[in-house]
Amino acid sequence: EDKVVQSPLSLVVHEGDTVTLNCSYEVTNFRSLLWYKQEKKAPTFLFMLTSSGIEKKSGRLSSILDKKELFSILNITATQTGDSAVYLCAVEVGFQKLVFGTGTRLLVSP
Amino acid sequence: DTGVSQDPRHKITKRGQNVTFRCDPISEHNRLYWYRQTLGQGPEFLTYFQNEAQLEKSRLLSDRFSAERPKGSFSTLEIQRTEQGDSAMYLCASSPWTGERGQPQHFGDGTRLSIL
Repeated sequence: EDKVVQSPLSLVVHEGDTVTLNCSYEVTNFRSLLWYKQEKKAPTFLFMLTSSGIEKKSGRLSSILDKKELFSILNITATQTGDSAVYLCAVEVGFQKLVFGTGTRLLVSP
Repeated sequence: DTGVSQDPRHKITKRGQNVTFRCDPISEHNRLYWYRQTLGQGPEFLTYFQNEAQLEKSRLLSDRFSAERPKGSFSTLEIQRTEQGDSAMYLCASSPWTGERGQPQHFGDGTRLSIL
């Protein structure tokens, strides 16, 4: 069965810290790995990764994929209180469904 | 740019009643997906459409669940004879599909269903 595991489950940091969120997966027919940020409503898209070793960056956020070791990391530098959210990792299986992990709940304290 | 729109935002109903949710995808997106999210979990895939064709429905949770997208635009998800365990957030997502590679799915704000 397709499986996506995220760690840690929750994390509390101080504003300005750097955090690394982890995602490992075990799926058949891998197509891509996606990161989403979910506050109280819709998961909002952050990154889509298809190739190993190529870092994607958007402001203070960056992500990279290792298809040999079957994992990805999401880095957030100089965290702000607005970064507080649940970060979801999902793997696209067979150009169809997304299989999600349970998410990492990040709390950034002022 | 209009995002994915879902209606209603909240639905409270008694056990045994039928409920129907609507999803309007981003206009140029030909793929539409339904997911269910329970507290503390990531979204769980239910079904998806490409235009009006339902290409995968084996993950619908039981025969009480059905979905339609009759004209390839908006979609409805119906749950018949609701049970307590159906209480969850029902999320809709859409994406473009060109037949070459996948594109990110974009999600609506969801419909939160509460069964009394």
